[in-house]
Amino acid sequence: SQQGEEDPQALSIQEGENATMNCSYKTSINNLQWYRQNSGRGLVHLILIRSNEREKHSGRLRVTLDTSKKSSSLLITASRAADTASYFCATVRMNTGFQKLVFGTGTRLLVSP
Amino acid sequence: DTEVTQTPKHLVMGMTNKKSLKCEQHMGHRAMYWYKQKAKKPPELMFVYSYEKLSINESVPSRFSPECPNSSLLNLHLHALQPEDSALYLCASSQGSLVLGSTDTQYFGPGTRLTVL
Repeated sequence: SQQGEEDPQALSIQEGENATMNCSYKTSINNLQWYRQNSGRGLVHLILIRSNEREKHSGRLRVTLDTSKKSSSLLITASRAADTASYFCATVRMNTGFQKLVFGTGTRLLVSP
Repeated sequence: DTEVTQTPKHLVMGMTNKKSLKCEQHMGHRAMYWYKQKAKKPPELMFVYSYEKLSINESVPSRFSPECPNSSLLNLHLHALQPEDSALYLCASSQGSLVLGSTDTQYFGPGTRLTVL
């Protein structure tokens, strides 16, 4: 079952602009992760934020988490054409000692040169 | 080496065929996963193996049969599939920590694109 919903579903920007994607979820979580998927290929892990963290940075990525609103956002600064991909949030509920990822609906990002 | 490999990359099969998807990792991970992803949809978990034992089966039809021959390999045996089973099948692995509350990044393979005729 899908827990997360992301918006927008699709986002089109120019190179150099910032891209913001939002994710909402329904249940209590252990942590929230963001993944990127290029053109129907495998997913690449971008960043993980724990439930007791509010903000995290990794290079051009900034993730925020608001557990009271059950929402997270991913900001990509100074976007590049190579950032064109689908981005998924994934929430983690502990199940029998390891993690069961539940993916959001995804945002398709198009960055034009 | 943080690579998960999957073979074949593409597979076309009829509804009466038997085929297998293969997944391999050499990162020493003890948890391995199968996901199914339909076009423009998020991945959906099918099976999880932990320490070579099946830990989670997300009510997957029996025409999908997983197998974990050893800690590096994961197979998905396919038999009597339906056209609606056409999808991208993704394998992933993670360290598989048994400590509640631990974080565990999953590493994904490139997937096998399956078409059932």
